[in-house]
Amino acid sequence: EVQLVESGGGLVKPGGSLRLSCAASGFTFSSYSMNWVRQAPGKGLEWVSSISSSSSYIYYADSVKGRFTISRDNAKNSLYLQMNSLRAEDTAVYYCARGDDGYKTFDYWGQGTLVTVSS
Amino acid sequence: EIVLTQSPGTLSLSPGERATLSCRASQSISSSYLAWYQQKPGQAPRLLIYGASSRATGIPDRFSGSGSGTDFTLTISRLEPEDFAVYYCQQYGSSPLYTFGQGTKLEIK
Repeated sequence: EVQLVESGGGLVKPGGSLRLSCAASGFTFSSYSMNWVRQAPGKGLEWVSSISSSSSYIYYADSVKGRFTISRDNAKNSLYLQMNSLRAEDTAVYYCARGDDGYKTFDYWGQGTLVTVSS
Repeated sequence: EIVLTQSPGTLSLSPGERATLSCRASQSISSSYLAWYQQKPGQAPRLLIYGASSRATGIPDRFSGSGSGTDFTLTISRLEPEDFAVYYCQQYGSSPLYTFGQGTKLEIK
């Protein structure tokens, strides 16, 4: 069974930093691209970042480019999101999602971790 | 940037009825890269449809997708109580890499 478990969310002040983690199990992690998708309270879904299976290709939404860094450790079956210079508008539930490289979908999702940016 | 516009914003129907949800793209997109997700309160989204018309693993056959170019549709043939949720369409493009529609809330009438 595919499982994705996010951690690392919490309350942080504007301008602060946070590192999210996603622990994967139940599939060959090193064979799949991985993604972060976020959802502000009461709002819709917003793609944040993607990383290819070998970390060769990395992409960011314009809203986070230069502030967030996605990475992965295939030996540890883990995905990360380093978030710096956080803003109030970054407040959201952050989901880790496995990528289907054929149809460009997010076929499995974690339960999400809440990041709140507030003074 | 490709914008996905979903309609209606809210759809009120009764169990047993047929639901038709629309997703319109601001420019033509590849059907291969159009997906639909279901999200229930407090839960993560779940992939329903990929490639515009293929059901994901474990999705009941009352869910179907269709469309091409700029107009896509998710149809639920006969609503079950567990189908009342928010539905999002999603496309893969160039910049940004992925975009979602704003969602359609399917509520019990």
